[in-house]
Amino acid sequence: EPEVTQTPSHQVTQMGQEVILRCVPISNHLYFYWYRQILGQKVEFLVSFYNNEISEKSEIFDDQFSVERPDGSNFTLKIRSTKLEDSAMYFCASRTDTGELFFGEGSRLTVL
Amino acid sequence: QKEVEQDPGPLSVPEGAIVSLNCTYSNSAFQYFMWYRQYSRKGPELLMYTYSSGNKEDGRFTAQVDKSSKYISLFIRDSQPSDSATYLCAMTRIQGAQKLVFGQGTRLTINP
Repeated sequence: EPEVTQTPSHQVTQMGQEVILRCVPISNHLYFYWYRQILGQKVEFLVSFYNNEISEKSEIFDDQFSVERPDGSNFTLKIRSTKLEDSAMYFCASRTDTGELFFGEGSRLTVL
Repeated sequence: QKEVEQDPGPLSVPEGAIVSLNCTYSNSAFQYFMWYRQYSRKGPELLMYTYSSGNKEDGRFTAQVDKSSKYISLFIRDSQPSDSATYLCAMTRIQGAQKLVFGQGTRLTINP
C-alpha cells in the first residue's frame, strides 16, 4: 500500500542551526502538507502546498520556515535557525482528490 | 470557544466493550470529517472519512455526523487491546488545499 515516507525519523540539533526535513508523498497526490505536534499537544497545521506554491500557511509558519518541492518526488521543510520551541514531531501529509489526508510517521526534532 | 473540542480522556474500558468517542465543533463551514488513530510517537492513521450527516460503517468502526448539532462520533464495537491509542477527530471546510483542524485527541485504553 502506498505511504508517505519521512526522513530522518529523529534529528537532534543545536539552537540556531538549519534543519531540513524530507518527505516523499504518495505518488499520485497533488496536495502536500506539513503539520507539527509538540509533545502532549494537538496536531497543528503549518503549511499546505499545491501546484508548486504555498496555498495556505499558519501563523506558526514564519520567515524561519520554508517549503520546497525540488523534484517530482520530494517535499521538504526547512527551518533556517532553530529555536528550542521548534522541538516537536513534524508530520508530512498528502491528499487524494477526494479529500482523504494521509500522514507519514513523522520526524522528531529535538533542539538543544 | 475552540473550533474543535474533544475530551482528552483518558478513557479506559474492558475488552469487548463498545467505545464512543465524540467531538463538537463551532464552525458550521466544516463539511468533511475524519477520524485518525495515533499510536505513541507515530503518525496519525486515517480510520474514517465522511462528508454528509448520517452514519458510515467500516468493519468494527462507525462514524456518525450530525451537522445540525455540530457533533461527530466514532463508535468502536468489540474493542480489542490493539485499539488502545489516541483517537483524533479532524475536519475541514471544503476540498482543495484546505487545512485540517484537529481536536485534542482522546487517549483510549482497552483492558484485556
